[in-house]
Amino acid sequence: EVQLVQSGAEVKKPGESLKISCQGFGYTFTSYWIGWVRQMPGQGLEWMGIIYPGDSETRYSPSFQGQVTISVDKSISTAYLHLRSLKASDTAMYYCARWLQPFNWFDPWGQGTLVTVSS
Amino acid sequence: QPVLTQPPSASASLGASVTLTCTLSSAYSNYKVTWYQQRPGKGPRFVMRVGTGGIVGSKGDGIPDRFSVFGSGLIRYLTIKNIQEEDESDYHCGADHGSGSNFALVFGGGTKLTVL
Repeated sequence: EVQLVQSGAEVKKPGESLKISCQGFGYTFTSYWIGWVRQMPGQGLEWMGIIYPGDSETRYSPSFQGQVTISVDKSISTAYLHLRSLKASDTAMYYCARWLQPFNWFDPWGQGTLVTVSS
Repeated sequence: QPVLTQPPSASASLGASVTLTCTLSSAYSNYKVTWYQQRPGKGPRFVMRVGTGGIVGSKGDGIPDRFSVFGSGLIRYLTIKNIQEEDESDYHCGADHGSGSNFALVFGGGTKLTVL
């Protein structure tokens, strides 16, 4: 079964940093892009960026460029989302998802990682 | 890049049908969109992709035949027939744009479907 398993919920203070992980199982991890999507409380989905584990090519949404870093460790089939200088407004659920080309859709999605930023 | 507009809410009675809409901004009438279902407290799940020619590719795993799509002009539709309680979810549409360094993904605001 193809699945993405994300790291657990985090509670952080403003100004701290955080790295969320997303590990792929059941497929060739290096052959498919992995994307990251934010969902703020009660809101819709926002695309943050995407990485190709085979060569670490990365593309960011202009809304998140410079604010986050996406990386990968293909030796352990894991992608990461690094959030820096956290603010209360970063409180959200973060999802990773596999991007299927040439179909151009996300499938499957990880279970989500809830990040709460509070002093 | 396109803007996707979805009504914030919709409702339908158990056993009835409902059609959800995702409207592309003008000049993007040839774009395909992908529908995702998000049940309460869960992550999104791929439903199917649609263009003006109808479904693109296959449905997501476990998506029942009650779900269908079509597209016309700037609107992409998701129709659910014989609505069941488990269909109560948020439905998001998304579209990809560009390639290479200009690649981008956008989502609509989502529609919350309530089953009455």
